[in-house]
Amino acid sequence: GENVEQHPSTLSVQEGDSAVIKCTYSDSASNYFPWYKQELGKRPQLIIDIRSNVGEKKDQRIAVTLNKTAKHFSLHITETQPEDSAVYFCAARGGKLIFGQGTELSVKP
Amino acid sequence: DAGVTQSPTHLIKTRGQHVTLRCSPISGHKSVSWYQQVLGQGPQFIFQYYEKEERGRGNFPDRFSARQFPNYSSELNVNALLLGDSALYLCASSQDWPGRGALFSTDTQYFGPGTRLTVL
Repeated sequence: GENVEQHPSTLSVQEGDSAVIKCTYSDSASNYFPWYKQELGKRPQLIIDIRSNVGEKKDQRIAVTLNKTAKHFSLHITETQPEDSAVYFCAARGGKLIFGQGTELSVKP
Repeated sequence: DAGVTQSPTHLIKTRGQHVTLRCSPISGHKSVSWYQQVLGQGPQFIFQYYEKEERGRGNFPDRFSARQFPNYSSELNVNALLLGDSALYLCASSQDWPGRGALFSTDTQYFGPGTRLTVL
């Protein structure tokens, strides 16, 4: 069935360092890949998304890359700040939106 | 501009009872999706509705049902509650439904605050 694997499950970085979260998906029909940030007790918030017609997208300190051949996509956060600490979810949509298991990012000042 | 709203915010039920959760999408959005998020996991897809018709269903038992109204709001119903139904139930709205245009459709999903359901 459709599946999205996300790694790592936890990630701790120093303020100012970069953070990378990786996901793989199984459904080759997937064409839309959003990333959500969820702070404790709050709703998931869309931070960036990419569609299968492009390989990379950037928005200030956040970038996402997509490798359709390998069925991989990644989130890159540069110059991390303490307020980036949260759980990040990747997702892939073929027929329905399938989420990864989440990455708990901790940015230490 | 109001975002997605859900009610109630919290709910406590006992096993065997029935629950109805409600969602109002962003103004202008015609599609509503429902997700179950168990603590420590990613959201799991339950249903998607577009223009009052079911457009997708996840791997949930028939105890789960939903509907969408003419004003595009939606209800999620769960019958015969089990302890394992305890979770955060999230509603997400989007302008469109991916089946209509696939690559370029306006189908970005925006989440509501969720309803925290506890089954005792």
